[in-house]
Amino acid sequence: DQQVKQNSPSLSVQEGRISILNCDYTNSMFDYFLWYKKYPAEGPTFLISISSIKDKNEDGRFTVFLNKSAKHLSLHIVPSQPGDSAVYFCAASGLTTSGTYKYIFGTGTRLKVLA
Amino acid sequence: GAVVSQHPSRVICKSGTSVKIECRSLDFQATTMFWYRQFPKQSLMLMATSNEGSKATYEQGVEKDKFLINHASLTLSTLTVTSAHPEDSSFYICSAEGTSLVEGTDTQYFGPGTRLTVL
Repeated sequence: DQQVKQNSPSLSVQEGRISILNCDYTNSMFDYFLWYKKYPAEGPTFLISISSIKDKNEDGRFTVFLNKSAKHLSLHIVPSQPGDSAVYFCAASGLTTSGTYKYIFGTGTRLKVLA
Repeated sequence: GAVVSQHPSRVICKSGTSVKIECRSLDFQATTMFWYRQFPKQSLMLMATSNEGSKATYEQGVEKDKFLINHASLTLSTLTVTSAHPEDSSFYICSAEGTSLVEGTDTQYFGPGTRLTVL
């Protein structure tokens, strides 16, 4: 059962335009959401996060939107740059039945920014 | 910002040998570290959660006798792949839980990963 889903495996965007990456989750107990960027053969890099008490968090060119009623979050990158080409993972965290926080990752979306 | 290192970054070994991968949090104390495995074109798969001073909690389907995890200090966790076989070849990534100086909330910081190739 995939609790965190990124339904678009890939996305191509022209340089300078907006990139929108989407993520859906099923567990309403998730209370913290994160986006990671990953280049080939490297570990993921933390990008931006949002807690469930907010609906928007902005950091430079990156903005994350959270729609709790729809259990949906999105990452907006504007303007997109060729260096943004990477795989983007969304992750959700919440308290497990054992009392620890657990991070669940989506399957990733490969973003390609065309020059 | 917080930094997590992994060593080695790449290792090639013969089938049947054991390989140890180290994960260190460099400028913060991590009571909890996580070990992930990534298969080609797939998401990160959580293997186990490692808490300092206690036994690791393994995810379903992960053999604890095959993947030995030791979290001896607040800055070091090790993953030992015992009697490695070619199917163990993968990209192993650790992460450590620390407090973001900006958000003030706990965030995972990932290591750069270790590419294991078993011949």
